[in-house]
Amino acid sequence: QVHVQESGPGLVYPSETLSLTCTVSGDSILNYYWSWIRQPPGRGLEWLGYRYYNGNTHSNPSLKSRLTMSIDMSKNQFSLKLTSVTAADTAVYFCATVTWGSFSNWGQGTLVTVSS
Amino acid sequence: QSALTQPPSASRSPGESVTISCTGTSSDVGAYNYVSWYQQHPGKAPKLIIYDVTKRPSGVPDRFSGSKSGNTASLTVSGLQAEDEADYYCSSYTGTNTYVLFGGGTKLTVL
Repeated sequence: QVHVQESGPGLVYPSETLSLTCTVSGDSILNYYWSWIRQPPGRGLEWLGYRYYNGNTHSNPSLKSRLTMSIDMSKNQFSLKLTSVTAADTAVYFCATVTWGSFSNWGQGTLVTVSS
Repeated sequence: QSALTQPPSASRSPGESVTISCTGTSSDVGAYNYVSWYQQHPGKAPKLIIYDVTKRPSGVPDRFSGSKSGNTASLTVSGLQAEDEADYYCSSYTGTNTYVLFGGGTKLTVL
């Protein structure tokens, strides 16, 4: 059973870069497509992007070019970088495996607040 | 593309059944059999309970079932239990740049 754990700073200043890591255990990161999803406080879910170990990647057009995702196979980790953050990026960020738009094996999520 | 449409809330008594709708378009729900449903308790991560419209992951009770007709998908929970009280979200693969759309969520109250 794959286990997923997100980590990263809980506070990011406006205009700076948000960086998060998803650490995978119990299985190889190579066996899945990986995705980031976020949920602003009290609101619904938003898909951010997915990546496969071979470089196959796709981001939500709403994020334009702000999102970068990467996979470190040696560490079994999946990472996110979101640049030029604003208060609108305040959310709980989840990583999860994804297949044809269906998300399983979710992490517990990590709250990121964008504030000065 | 806009989010999928779900009713904001529903309430039933224990033992009853409830059906939650998820309406999209012919470009998402109507085009693909890749509709999923998620259960989310407060402060917890969403949990996949239905995928590919009707399939249940291992461990999900058969009280949860999914269906689709045209551009609308539905989640039915039968024999409601207190622990079913949660937020429920639908999603659909879109096959386009947006890849997947989520519904706005339905808060289910088991009275």
